[in-house]
Amino acid sequence: QSVLTQPPSASGSPGQRVTVSCSGSSSNIGSNRVSWYQQLPGTAPKLLIYNNSERPSGVPDRFFGSKSGTSASLAISGLQSEDEADYFCAALDDGPSVVVFGGGTTVTVL
Amino acid sequence: QVQLQESGPGLVKPSETLSLTCTVSGDSISNYYWSWIRQPAGKGLEWIGRLYSSGVTKYNPSLQSRVAISVDTSKNQFALKLNSVTAADTAIYYCTKEFYSSPAYYFFGLDVWGQGTPVTVSS
Repeated sequence: QSVLTQPPSASGSPGQRVTVSCSGSSSNIGSNRVSWYQQLPGTAPKLLIYNNSERPSGVPDRFFGSKSGTSASLAISGLQSEDEADYFCAALDDGPSVVVFGGGTTVTVL
Repeated sequence: QVQLQESGPGLVKPSETLSLTCTVSGDSISNYYWSWIRQPAGKGLEWIGRLYSSGVTKYNPSLQSRVAISVDTSKNQFALKLNSVTAADTAIYYCTKEFYSSPAYYFFGLDVWGQGTPVTVSS
């Protein structure tokens, strides 16, 4: 059971906007920075969003991260077929000072 | 840029020790923090532990009694050892580089990942 809570699945049609939520607590998301990872089938995860809302170089601006209180969200606008992947959120947890992850959300493009 | 490559046996017997190595290229291992992550087939990600640039380590409390992360600066490598393994330790193991702020430490994310190495625990 993951410390951060994500819905198991999300879907949308090409061109639509999909949002993935990530819920935590005051000891992790509430007091630390959130990152998001995209994992395409058979590959290693890739950093998609860091520091709540920053995008690494090369990540399209269709991906948008936000955080409010003890929850965070990843929005994908202009959904494309290549966005079909698993998406994970992560944050540091102050208690044990360890990195905790969400269980992952599989995004399907209909 | 920094690249990571995991190596080690793909099959470990129950009760024995899992040993993996991560080779860092593109920069000095002493300049960053490093983490091991694992992912059982079809499941989520689990953080195993961190190696600070000082050589100090931090482990997931759920694995702390069985895990050790060490560094070999002469080879620009860091290693993972997990003892007394069971089938529950079967997973893909990734080494990663942490992205963080300094001097005040804020964890921003894991910005470089190795390709991952599958490890099966079976007799």
